[in-house]
Amino acid sequence: QQQVKQSPQSLIVQKGGIPIINCAYENTAFDYFPWYQQFPGKGPALLIAIRPDVSEKKEGRFTISFNKSAKQFSLHIMDSQPGDSATYFCAARENYGQNFVFGPGTRLSVLP
Amino acid sequence: GAVVSQHPSWVICKSGTSVKIECRSLDFQATTMFWYRQFPKQSLMLMATSNEGSKATYEQGVEKDKFLINHASLTLSTLTVTSAHPEDSSFYICSAKLPEAGRPNTEAFFGQGTRLTVV
Repeated sequence: QQQVKQSPQSLIVQKGGIPIINCAYENTAFDYFPWYQQFPGKGPALLIAIRPDVSEKKEGRFTISFNKSAKQFSLHIMDSQPGDSATYFCAARENYGQNFVFGPGTRLSVLP
Repeated sequence: GAVVSQHPSWVICKSGTSVKIECRSLDFQATTMFWYRQFPKQSLMLMATSNEGSKATYEQGVEKDKFLINHASLTLSTLTVTSAHPEDSSFYICSAKLPEAGRPNTEAFFGQGTRLTVV
């Protein structure tokens, strides 16, 4: 119930491609869904986040699509660059919850 | 975004010694901070929730006496790994919640992590 599933585990795209990372959850009490980017040896950095009252949110080259009925959300990276190569984690949290539940992560490699 | 500073970035210690890791919220006051542990190529595992002025809440399976957490002020939480052993070697990350008026729940920002190696 508390799990957040994430796929794929790893992803390789060419520069300029649009990698898509998918997450799914079961707990309907989750109401905040952030995505984090983590480079090796660094802490996660917030990339973009969405709440269930919208179906899509875009910030720069990053877009979250949210499907409340399917309990799924995804991250799209437009015009991907080698500098986007990192591990991406989706997460979820209940409105009155303290903690995030993290997905297992997706290692993205963008080839030059 | 808000800044959370973690120190040290890396530390090597001998088996049996204790190591303290600091987590500071630099430009905001954090009533709640979180400590995570991350193994290579794995996700973040929540160890404990640190509340200012009260005892930390530990996740199941995390030894309270081994991982001592102190949140003495609104800008500082510390994690002390006591009597460290090689199996405690890991990447430890803290995060702090950014207070936002009128919202019961807000974003959390992460420190840069501390790589602990116990030899």
